[in-house]
Amino acid sequence: EIVLTQSPPTLSLSPGERATLSCRASQDVATYLAWYQQKPGQAPRLLIYDTANRATGIPARFNGSGSGTDFSLTISSLEAEDFAVYYCQQRHNRPPTFGQGTRVDIK
Amino acid sequence: QVQLIQSGAEVKKPGASMKISCKASSYPFISYGISWLRQAPGQGLEWVGWISPYNGDTKYAERFQDRVTLTTDTSTTTAYMELRSLTSDDTAVYYCARNFGVVTVNWFDPWGQGTLVTVSS
Repeated sequence: EIVLTQSPPTLSLSPGERATLSCRASQDVATYLAWYQQKPGQAPRLLIYDTANRATGIPARFNGSGSGTDFSLTISSLEAEDFAVYYCQQRHNRPPTFGQGTRVDIK
Repeated sequence: QVQLIQSGAEVKKPGASMKISCKASSYPFISYGISWLRQAPGQGLEWVGWISPYNGDTKYAERFQDRVTLTTDTSTTTAYMELRSLTSDDTAVYYCARNFGVVTVNWFDPWGQGTLVTVSS
């Protein structure tokens, strides 16, 4: 199965700062990559699918990019509600797999 | 809005079975696949399997293949996951999630609220 490695494990930033999260795949996944946000005690929420498409209702400050094996999620200016854990997920091969997550916390 | 409402928390003994439900509303149930995923305490996300409510087609993660069964009831727009031969390693929050379209597993949106299953003697 495809292994997704996210970095860094934790990102400590202040509101208003730019966050850049990385996801590297163990093999080529083309553009079949998504990002999810999970807050404590809540289910994950889809942010980005097919590398760069924002899901319904997702603010424009969330942007995804990449292809092949290297992907990024950028949050242009962090707001209070953005502090959470973020997971990447591939659907290029079955089973769909997730990265281990990046926690974005308040500095 | 599209909603997936799951059944409540369960406590099971090792070796037992569990069956949890996921009630879908506000969309055409047979037009979207449903996946089941789980998250062990403090851990990441793991896909368990997928079902097409349109034709009952299923796909399972290899590690669960021999002890999981996914079903749907189109009359009540409810999906079910049964997991047998439980061990403490199955202690997790189990989620249902809708997929894009009904043909294959892809993205997960939205998710149910989760069902905590605790396996303990």
